[in-house]
Amino acid sequence: DGGITQSPKYLFRKEGQNVTLSCEQNLNHDAMYWYRQDPGQGLRLIYYSQIVNDFQKGDIAEGYSVSREKKESFPLTVTSAQKNPTAFYLCASSIGAVGYEQYFGPGTRLTVT
Amino acid sequence: KQEVTQIPAALSVPEGENLVLNCSFTDSAIYNLQWFRQDPGKGLTSLLLIQSSQREQTSGRLNASLDKSSGRSTLYIAASQPGDSATYLCAALFSARQLTFGSGTQLTVLP
Repeated sequence: DGGITQSPKYLFRKEGQNVTLSCEQNLNHDAMYWYRQDPGQGLRLIYYSQIVNDFQKGDIAEGYSVSREKKESFPLTVTSAQKNPTAFYLCASSIGAVGYEQYFGPGTRLTVT
Repeated sequence: KQEVTQIPAALSVPEGENLVLNCSFTDSAIYNLQWFRQDPGKGLTSLLLIQSSQREQTSGRLNASLDKSSGRSTLYIAASQPGDSATYLCAALFSARQLTFGSGTQLTVLP
């Protein structure tokens, strides 16, 4: 059963703590993406990776970091430098980097208090 | 600045009605446009992808059109059902090579 998994579904953290969100895909896709969604708004791109060991900043990368050591995995770390981290985080993948249909995981809702 | 706009933000229709959701974009140099469905608290489900060379795409009761010259895309839903209730987002791929999302239209189909 191919798809994208994100864990956990809900995550609670205290302010000042780093937290890592998991994203795994078994679709054999080269490209992976992290988006942030705030209430009533569209998605904004945080980071994307076109290939293993390579990634680029999106529109709102400040306070976030990623790694892409394996094709299947693209974890996102929300650092204490992110001023407003409470949001819904969505991971996506596509077979290629540009112009291909993107497929999304179920999301992780992060609450920082 | 390349932007995508969806109006209205919310729409309610009675069951069985045919409806059109609108998406407008500021740059006619678009590579493709993708329509998604999002249920509350869930991820996005891809509905249709229209390449810049295409005028429309169809999947079941859904039909999406693309008019680059006017900067518009529409998603037509035939014979709406309560199960169609969700937020519908469109996203355009511009020259920056990143998807730019609209803020969505929340659709409610009343039984």
